[in-house]
Amino acid sequence: DIQMTQSPSSVSASVGDRVTITCRASQGISSWLAWYQQKPGIAPKLLIYAASSLQSGVPSRFSGNRSGTDFTLTISSLQPEDFATYYCQQANSFPVTFGQGTKVGVK
Amino acid sequence: QVQLQESGPGLVKPSQTLSLTCTVSGGSISSGGYYWSWIRQHPGKGLEWIGYIYYSGSTYYNPSLKSRVTISVDTSKNQFSLKLSSVTAADTAVYYCARGSNGFDPWGQGTLVTVSS
Repeated sequence: DIQMTQSPSSVSASVGDRVTITCRASQGISSWLAWYQQKPGIAPKLLIYAASSLQSGVPSRFSGNRSGTDFTLTISSLQPEDFATYYCQQANSFPVTFGQGTKVGVK
Repeated sequence: QVQLQESGPGLVKPSQTLSLTCTVSGGSISSGGYYWSWIRQHPGKGLEWIGYIYYSGSTYYNPSLKSRVTISVDTSKNQFSLKLSSVTAADTAVYYCARGSNGFDPWGQGTLVTVSS
């Protein structure tokens, strides 16, 4: 199985901050990576697919990037509604695997 | 737009079989190009992919659960289903159904299944 390692596991930030979350794949996955946002009691929401493509309806402050097997999700200016947990997921091969999550909390 | 909704018992006894159904509305499972998946989330934990079914009936299961999982599809009802046998307390989780391609979207709202006697 492909292991997805996210860092950090949590981050404290303020509204307006730039926040970057990293996900590293244990082997090459090309650009087959997605990012999700999850709030308590709610299903995950797809933000980014194919490493850098913004899902329809997602604000442009969210962006994704790839460098080899390292992937980043950046929130350019954190908004109050962005406090949540974020997961990466590789879609290169089965079984599909997720990162362990990064909680973005209030500083 | 496409919507998914899970249904099934919220309480299952140990050693019994967990059975859930996902009803798809606003689109057809038979349209192709997507793999219809089950994903679970243990309380306070991360996401675990269980398996998928394609409209043709082909399946792939997570090797960690493969011996206990069956996913089936009923295209006439636009539904797909999950059966997980020999459950234990470790199978207590929120179970989601989701449409997969390059990423999962949309998701059902999720249903909590508790394994307890």
